[in-house]
Amino acid sequence: ETGVTQTPRHLVMGMTNKKSLKCEQHLGHNAMYWYKQSAKKPLELMFVYSLEERVENNSVPSRFSPECPNSSHLFLHLHTLQPEDSALYLCASSQGDRQSYEQYFGPGTRLTVT
Amino acid sequence: QQPVQSPQAVILREGEDAVINCSSSKALYSVHWYRQKHGEAPIFLMILLKGGEQKGHDKISASFNEKKQQSSLYLTASQLSYSGTYFCGTETGNQFYFGTGTSLTVIP
Repeated sequence: ETGVTQTPRHLVMGMTNKKSLKCEQHLGHNAMYWYKQSAKKPLELMFVYSLEERVENNSVPSRFSPECPNSSHLFLHLHTLQPEDSALYLCASSQGDRQSYEQYFGPGTRLTVT
Repeated sequence: QQPVQSPQAVILREGEDAVINCSSSKALYSVHWYRQKHGEAPIFLMILLKGGEQKGHDKISASFNEKKQQSSLYLTASQLSYSGTYFCGTETGNQFYFGTGTSLTVIP
């Protein structure tokens, strides 16, 4: 595997379910990011991890819970989501811990909350 | 605080040129350009740093006007493969924001 991979690619879940999104980067980068991409809206940064420590949390509701067990893996745990949380969730990585570094994105997980 | 992109959408015939603009209300340190094809991950195109430099590769280039707090992406002699949504990302101080994107469609 090369680059940034995400699983699953598609996910449908009910509002009472608990699920997790997984991201893995094979680039040796130090920072990883979660973004939310909704139609007609700019990419919204959710979380930033640098060297496995969370460095930024952009006022994201607690029903989204990130986890970064090592510099190559990033998870987004989901529970009691709302229909408005339906979106494409993108993971990215970069060499440095600022978005101003070149970011490499995964293909995303298309999430639908019913 | 997020940059404003224009136009929101553009349709071109193969071989035509296009310009996409990205404007910020704040002083910029750098501007980034990404392209995202439908159903795929955004792909990094280039970074422009403060100093008014121009960059490019192949037939895609960009300029950065620090005074006007804006950047422009130039696509010349467009190819079908250029279709997608183009995003700018702007760094102002310690903040970074993506624009809403410009949808570009190249038709034969």
